[in-house]
Amino acid sequence: DVKVTQSSRYLVKRTGEKVFLECVQDMDHENMFWYRQDPGLGLRLIYFSYDVKMKEKGDIPEGYSVSREKKERFSLILESASTNQTSMYLCASSLSRGTYYGYTFGSGTRLTVV
Amino acid sequence: AQRVTQPEKLLSVFKGAPVELKCNYSYSGSPELFWYVQYSRQRLQLLLRHISRESIKGFTADLNKGETSFHLKKPFAQEEDSAMYYCALSSGRKLIFGQGTELSVKP
Repeated sequence: DVKVTQSSRYLVKRTGEKVFLECVQDMDHENMFWYRQDPGLGLRLIYFSYDVKMKEKGDIPEGYSVSREKKERFSLILESASTNQTSMYLCASSLSRGTYYGYTFGSGTRLTVV
Repeated sequence: AQRVTQPEKLLSVFKGAPVELKCNYSYSGSPELFWYVQYSRQRLQLLLRHISRESIKGFTADLNKGETSFHLKKPFAQEEDSAMYYCALSSGRKLIFGQGTELSVKP
């Protein structure tokens, strides 16, 4: 019954490494999102995509990039990981009609950069 | 600027007490607002949306445009309500989330 799957639950990487976080959804949703979740800061949008090969910056895109080659898969890339990117990363998807039907979230990837 | 503010990081109540989680927003136009909930070790999920005027798990939320608020209320809190609650504002295809309020219901 899992609909949004994030490839890793926990990840530990070294400073300077290139990191890939993968997200796959099986609901044929057009929109996909990457947020980071930090205590006291809530969820902040990094990037989102409303179609294959389309992407838009969110509120905190610096240090990140994304890739959406197929409708069901949305990857978040940390070009050179830094300790301030230690966080919980949440992937979500939604229908193209906007936010009324809500987002479906993945279970999250807790990334630690050492 | 579009913004959602949840002024309380932590709200602690006893079982059976009323609970109100505050949410204020800043938005030019007619807002669409939501409450999301994350129980321990579970995914973030939609609790309710203002446009539906629904009550879910005993929770209700009323949009007050004059006060730009969308507070979440429940008359009698239960221990299973303990969770992280996020208020969210629709902006096109995306949601803007507040900082979150952790609700702790003590026995």
